[in-house]
Amino acid sequence: QSALTQPPSVSGSPGQSVTISCTGTSSDVGSYNRVSWYQQPPGTAPKLMIYEVSNRPSGVPDRFSGSKSGNTASLTISGLQAEDEADYYCSSYTSSSTFYVFGTGTKVTVL
Amino acid sequence: EVQLVESGGGLVKPGGSLRLSCAASGFTFSSYSMNWVRQAPGKGLEWVSSISSSSSYIYYADSVKGRFTISRDNAKNSLYLQMNSLRAEDTAVYYCARFNGKYDAFDIWGQGTMVTVSS
Repeated sequence: QSALTQPPSVSGSPGQSVTISCTGTSSDVGSYNRVSWYQQPPGTAPKLMIYEVSNRPSGVPDRFSGSKSGNTASLTISGLQAEDEADYYCSSYTSSSTFYVFGTGTKVTVL
Repeated sequence: EVQLVESGGGLVKPGGSLRLSCAASGFTFSSYSMNWVRQAPGKGLEWVSSISSSSSYIYYADSVKGRFTISRDNAKNSLYLQMNSLRAEDTAVYYCARFNGKYDAFDIWGQGTMVTVSS
């Protein structure tokens, strides 16, 4: 089972919006709404930001939103802030033997 | 406070063994599936293994199948990962993560423990 494909990096100025894509296959992203997103600042553990494609756990700012179309899920950060600078990973349930698969990760830089 | 604390990491020679532990607190441990996720230096996250709340269902990544064994002790609120026949490519930070069925996601993570496999 290969990792889900994400762009290595995206960047934006404070206040702008950035979108991170997460491309999988019909065995994972395309067939299940079990996509989640995690934020990982340098040297820290991952933090759940989005679950089931577009839902936010309590405490996550509504600047973070998720969506899905076909085999590709997306995370959008609106009104970018300096504290949003981190690595972001998507994850999806997969019908393969792997059970859950993560994305390759995207580094978000706030210019 | 909901918390997961890993321990047991360290330096081990190729072919050696190591046992990781994860102590849970602040929630009903026996009600949740638990997982190990690892991250090699400078690399992305890789799901390693999962165990259901009552240990009835266990899954492994192909990369560790036959070498790693996940287990749990609900009376001690603890999760374990026995790692045998370790290879250089197993070098990583190992995170313990709670799987929340309500979210269908890994909602609580420990701080991680570093495992280095080197001669």
